[in-house]
Amino acid sequence: DAKTTQPNSMESNEEEPVHLPCNHSTISGTDYIHWYRQLPSQGPEYVIHGLTSNVNNRMASLAIAEDRKSSTLILHRATLRDAAVYYCILRDPRPDSNYKLTFGKGTLLTVNP
Amino acid sequence: EPEVTQTPSHQVTQMGQEVILRCVPISNHLYFYWYRQILGQKVEFLVSFYNNEISEKSEIFDDQFSVERPDGSNFTLKIRSTKLEDSAMYFCASSPGRRNSPLHFGNGTRLTVT
Repeated sequence: DAKTTQPNSMESNEEEPVHLPCNHSTISGTDYIHWYRQLPSQGPEYVIHGLTSNVNNRMASLAIAEDRKSSTLILHRATLRDAAVYYCILRDPRPDSNYKLTFGKGTLLTVNP
Repeated sequence: EPEVTQTPSHQVTQMGQEVILRCVPISNHLYFYWYRQILGQKVEFLVSFYNNEISEKSEIFDDQFSVERPDGSNFTLKIRSTKLEDSAMYFCASSPGRRNSPLHFGNGTRLTVT
């Protein structure tokens, strides 16, 4: 599986935007970029995904670099409930694997009141 | 919104005992997965399952592990003879089956082996 690199931790203040970076320099043309998060004592939760174009949904925005070697997850106004580990994942493109996810260590986001 | 449910939330067992962890995936989903997370470590893939067969398994998923979909709704993970190092959170997930459809995870079963 292609790998991603994320900062171990980041801090933000409540109601401010947060930009969570991810590097994936070995990404291939068919790899989709997925973001999940894991709140304390919960299972991982889907956030957003994209291929080439920037994407928006009710939770976040995903900005993908033109060369696709990096991406940024944007939380427009962080709340205390957004404190979690955020995972940037290149989804396995093989149907044989049922397109499984392979998690790295992610970025632990702390949100200060 | 439909959820993946897992039972029990916490299971304590003695080393060498068999445990069965249960999951009810979302009803129209086709792909099923088990992951585990040892305390303080990464979420690790164990196995994926489709059409009543294992699609892929990791090195962790050795002969002590098995999965089953006994009745078309439940999806179980059995560990035949538990070891201390099997202590972890075990997460079940399901997805509708399309390439980019999200995985939906349950909130896990905490397995403690003493």
